[in-house]
Amino acid sequence: GAGVSQSPSNKVTEKGKDVELRCDPISGHTALYWYRQSLGQGLEFLIYFQGNSAPDKSGLPSDRFSAERTGGSVSTLTIQRTQQEDSAVYLCASSFTGGNYEQYFGPGTRLTVT
Amino acid sequence: TQLLKQSPQFLSIQEGENLTVYCNSSSVFSSLQWYRQEPGEGPVLLVTVVTGGEVKKLKRLTFQFGDARKDSSLHITAAQTGDTGLYLCAGANNNNDMRFGAGTRLTVKP
Repeated sequence: GAGVSQSPSNKVTEKGKDVELRCDPISGHTALYWYRQSLGQGLEFLIYFQGNSAPDKSGLPSDRFSAERTGGSVSTLTIQRTQQEDSAVYLCASSFTGGNYEQYFGPGTRLTVT
Repeated sequence: TQLLKQSPQFLSIQEGENLTVYCNSSSVFSSLQWYRQEPGEGPVLLVTVVTGGEVKKLKRLTFQFGDARKDSSLHITAAQTGDTGLYLCAGANNNNDMRFGAGTRLTVKP
């Protein structure tokens, strides 16, 4: 079956513009995660959705970052008034549920803020 | 603050050598996972360990979960160039969310 897909694969934007990144999880997966990965670094947790529960937003670095998950499926990560330090690869992952179930990752969106 | 500390951060070895990388925390985890990430791709799960003291073997890879479920190690025997990549550990807490370490970047030279 289809894996996790993300779009766009690459995004170049000017400082101060808003961007939206999309994640299509694997069908049937109730858990969805967003991570940020700077060049050569590990994964920085951003936000976690689990079913109909309130999302865990504890990793969002500032109020310029927000995310939503519509209908328990597709998720959008929005970054407002982008800054150069927002440049990174944004990875989305989904799993059957949270905890120790395997997370399946998408290929990521490479965001460059000029 | 990194909840999970991985060491070493970088490791470069010759093909055929053995190596061990570590994942340490002051927190107890209900389970711990190891992933490998290759350039331009998302991480892929290698193993999940759930029981303190558990040892799992996956061909040349041996994973161990500490007795107290706070740390883990990954040992690779006779490394191959195809083992090159970023090795990430991730721990699940009682709230069932996962947190990743910063990773160990392994380069195996021919």
